[in-house]
Amino acid sequence: NAGVTQTPKFQVLKTGQSMTLQCAQDMNHEYMSWYRQDPGMGLRLIHYSVGAGITDQGEVPNGYNVSRSTTEDFPLRLLSAAPSQTSVYFCASRPPDRSLSHSPLHFGNGTRLTVT
Amino acid sequence: GENVEQHPSTLSVQEGDSAVIKCTYSDSASNYFPWYKQELGKRPQLIIDIRSNVGEKKDQRIAVTLNKTAKHFSLHITETQPEDSAVYFCAASMGNSGYALNFGKGTSLLVTP
Repeated sequence: NAGVTQTPKFQVLKTGQSMTLQCAQDMNHEYMSWYRQDPGMGLRLIHYSVGAGITDQGEVPNGYNVSRSTTEDFPLRLLSAAPSQTSVYFCASRPPDRSLSHSPLHFGNGTRLTVT
Repeated sequence: GENVEQHPSTLSVQEGDSAVIKCTYSDSASNYFPWYKQELGKRPQLIIDIRSNVGEKKDQRIAVTLNKTAKHFSLHITETQPEDSAVYFCAASMGNSGYALNFGKGTSLLVTP
C-alpha cells in the first residue's frame, strides 16, 4: 500500500488563483480529513469526510471546498487563493474503529503552499 | 485547536533526563487522546494513544496518563535521547465519534547531549 499520497509537494500561487490539492489513499479508509499547519498554531481541521458523498466543516473551513466522490480521493480546492492561506496542508485518513480499539490517523507527507 | 491547550510550548532537557508535556481539553465527550511526534519537514506520526476508559498506558520509554475528571492528560518520556528532539502534539477526539481530532499547538522538545 502507498498509504496517503498528497500532490503536489510544493506550490506557489498568486493571490486570486485557484488550485486543487490532491489526496488519495489506497487503504479503503472511510474517514479522510484536511488539516493546515501554521507556526505556533498546531494542526487545524479544515474539512473532513466520513465516507463517499459525505463532507463536513472543521475549525477553519472558509476559503476551501472539498468533495468526496470516491472512497479513495478527497481533493481540497482553493477557489481564490489569499496570502493567509500560505501554510503546510496535511491530508489524513483512518478506517472505522474496531471494537475496543481506536484506529489511528494516517497522515500524508504534506503540501507546502505559498500564496504571494 | 482552541479546545486543547498544551504546555509548555518549548522544552529543553539534558540527555537521560525525563520530559513531561501536559494537555487539557474542554469537550467532556472526548474519549480518545493520541500523541504525535513531528520531526522537521516530516509528517506527524502517532507515538502513543489512550482511550478514556484507561488511566495510564506505557510503551517502553514513553507513557501517557489521563485524568478524565480533571480533563487533562500528559506525555512522559524517560531516559531522553537526542533523537527524541522533535515537536510533539497532543490531540483529543471531537466528541465521542472519534472521527475528527482537535490538536494542541505543539511542544518543541530539544534533548541536548
